[in-house]
Amino acid sequence: DGGITQSPKYLFRKEGQNVTLSCEQNLNHDAMYWYRQDPGQGLRLIYYSQIVNDFQKGDIAEGYSVSREKKESFPLTVTSAQKNPTAFYLCASSARYEQFFGPGTRLTVL
Amino acid sequence: GQQLNQSPQSMFIQEGEDVSMNCTSSSIFNTWLWYKQDPGEGPVLLIALYKAGELTSNGRLTAQFGITRKDSFLNISASIPSDVGIYFCAGQNTDKLIFGTGTRLQVFP
Repeated sequence: DGGITQSPKYLFRKEGQNVTLSCEQNLNHDAMYWYRQDPGQGLRLIYYSQIVNDFQKGDIAEGYSVSREKKESFPLTVTSAQKNPTAFYLCASSARYEQFFGPGTRLTVL
Repeated sequence: GQQLNQSPQSMFIQEGEDVSMNCTSSSIFNTWLWYKQDPGEGPVLLIALYKAGELTSNGRLTAQFGITRKDSFLNISASIPSDVGIYFCAGQNTDKLIFGTGTRLQVFP
């Protein structure tokens, strides 16, 4: 089955801890994206990567970091510098213009 | 970051009714996409539009790429309960998508 997987579905962390969210795709897409969604809000772009070993900041990159060592994987680290990390995080990938999304990870920082 | 204006913000309709929603921007886009998001899930792509004036259907859904390239419309005919969710538009003109603020659709039997 081709698709995008994000794990875990729910994640709880204590304030001040870094946490890494996983995103894997087997669609052979070059580009991958991370979005943040807050309740009742649209999607805001955190980081994106168009090729392996390269990535760019989106609109709200502060307090986040990413890596792209493999085409299939684009993990997102939410650092302790992110002031309000509790949110729904969505990963997407695309071959051209159409982006396809994973099921999301809901992060709650206590 | 930029977000597209999407209206209405929410709709409460009866099963069987038709639905219309739209998305407007101050910028020109080369591609318009429409997504549906169920609660707690990732958005699912419904329709993609690539040319100004293009009208594309997917079952009961029909979307149009505005002639000015600054707007797009989505219509749902004969709504059913499983149409409930949030509908997002997205426009593309560089290597990123700009998303609308979403239209929340509630369908009552």
